[in-house]
Amino acid sequence: ETGVTQSPTHLIKTRGQQVTLRCSSQSGHNTVSWYQQALGQGPQFIFQYYREEENGRGNFPPRFSGLQFPNYSSELNVNALELDDSALYLCASTAKGFQETQYFGPGTRLLVL
Amino acid sequence: AQKVTQAQTEISVVEKEDVTLDCVYETRDTTYYLFWYKQPPSGELVFLIRRNSFDEQNEISGRYSWNFQKSTSSFNFTITASQVVDSAVYFCALSRDAGGTSYGKLTFGQGTILTVHP
Repeated sequence: ETGVTQSPTHLIKTRGQQVTLRCSSQSGHNTVSWYQQALGQGPQFIFQYYREEENGRGNFPPRFSGLQFPNYSSELNVNALELDDSALYLCASTAKGFQETQYFGPGTRLLVL
Repeated sequence: AQKVTQAQTEISVVEKEDVTLDCVYETRDTTYYLFWYKQPPSGELVFLIRRNSFDEQNEISGRYSWNFQKSTSSFNFTITASQVVDSAVYFCALSRDAGGTSYGKLTFGQGTILTVHP
């Protein structure tokens, strides 16, 4: 158990809808990263939040957005869902700085119909 | 740009066999970090090891061992006397040193599916 939790565990949406995924980081961890893992692929970096500000972004369109709260928990929002957004979304938290080890939560499985 | 290649898509072994998972990486950075994660069917990525690019010493942890060779840009993972519980997808990952404006983005390989049969 890493202490990183995510909700919901599973989600089904239809194309065009919006979705919000949540992540609670491990106690003492101030950095949260989000990854998208399509079936049969390795995780792809979406973005990272440090002290409530976005600190780095991967190759994802602006309809992927996020927030980090004062307690370091985080949300991932995806607007105008597309079929290709179907994936496992993983949240990882890190202590202190950026080069520390990232510890992952169990993920949210999103299916877009 | 950083890249991680895990050439073995799937490996199948019988319990108690030794198995090595290959990982080759590409980076222009002189300082970087390498990782191995295990992903069981539940989906959660479980951290196994982190290695700094300056530390080429091999490491052993129980039945697990890692061979880091900077000259060949490889970071291979060996499981000795494999067990059924080792069945999972294993990912090798790379991140740059987070100095300056860098950040701890992990670049993952495609993963290797390991199946250990009883």
